[in-house]
Amino acid sequence: DIVMTQSPDSLAVSLGETATINCKSSQRVVYGPKNRDALGWYQHKSGQPPKLLINWASTRQSGVPDRFSGSGSGTDFILTISSLQAEDVAVYYCQQYSLSPQTFGQGTKVELK
Amino acid sequence: QVQLLQSGAEVKQPGASVKISCEASGYTLTTYAMHWVRRAPGQGLEWMGWINTDNGNTFYSQNFQGRVTFSRDKSASTVYMDLSSLRVEDTAVYYCARFNGGLAPWGQGTQVIVSS
Repeated sequence: DIVMTQSPDSLAVSLGETATINCKSSQRVVYGPKNRDALGWYQHKSGQPPKLLINWASTRQSGVPDRFSGSGSGTDFILTISSLQAEDVAVYYCQQYSLSPQTFGQGTKVELK
Repeated sequence: QVQLLQSGAEVKQPGASVKISCEASGYTLTTYAMHWVRRAPGQGLEWMGWINTDNGNTFYSQNFQGRVTFSRDKSASTVYMDLSSLRVEDTAVYYCARFNGGLAPWGQGTQVIVSS
């Protein structure tokens, strides 16, 4: 199975500052004839279902604020939340969907400082 | 509008089974695979497996092999997740989610409590 490891486990960020979450896969997560990175980022707020923010490592979903961005390739990926807002407090997960079993990182809790 | 509507909360005793439904609307069920994910208290998201909603083929996480069964009723645009031999540690919120290069949207979640 592909192991996804996020860092840090939690971080506290001031309003307006930048949050950076790392995700490392135990092997490359490429998929398909175009060798795209099959990596998604999810936001999970308490009492709500998770929400897909970014897929294919860097493609922001419709309606997701542009302060959320994904980068990286191969085995190392980053979710950046620029100018953090109060509503961004949540747990964030990366997920690889290159191979079944699909696997999630352990989650990163983002709080306000 | 694409939506997934799950069945309501369940309370079960250890050893029992639970069956959760996930009704899709706003699109043709068979166009996309459906995945199941759970979140236990204090834990992260755990991927359970998926079902090809067109031909019914399934893939189960080894963590649930032998205890979980996915099925679908195309005429009802509904997918089902059946988990047997329930344990206290199966207490969790269970989600269905449509797969389309990532999981979106998700159902609202079904709380399952396993307690004697």
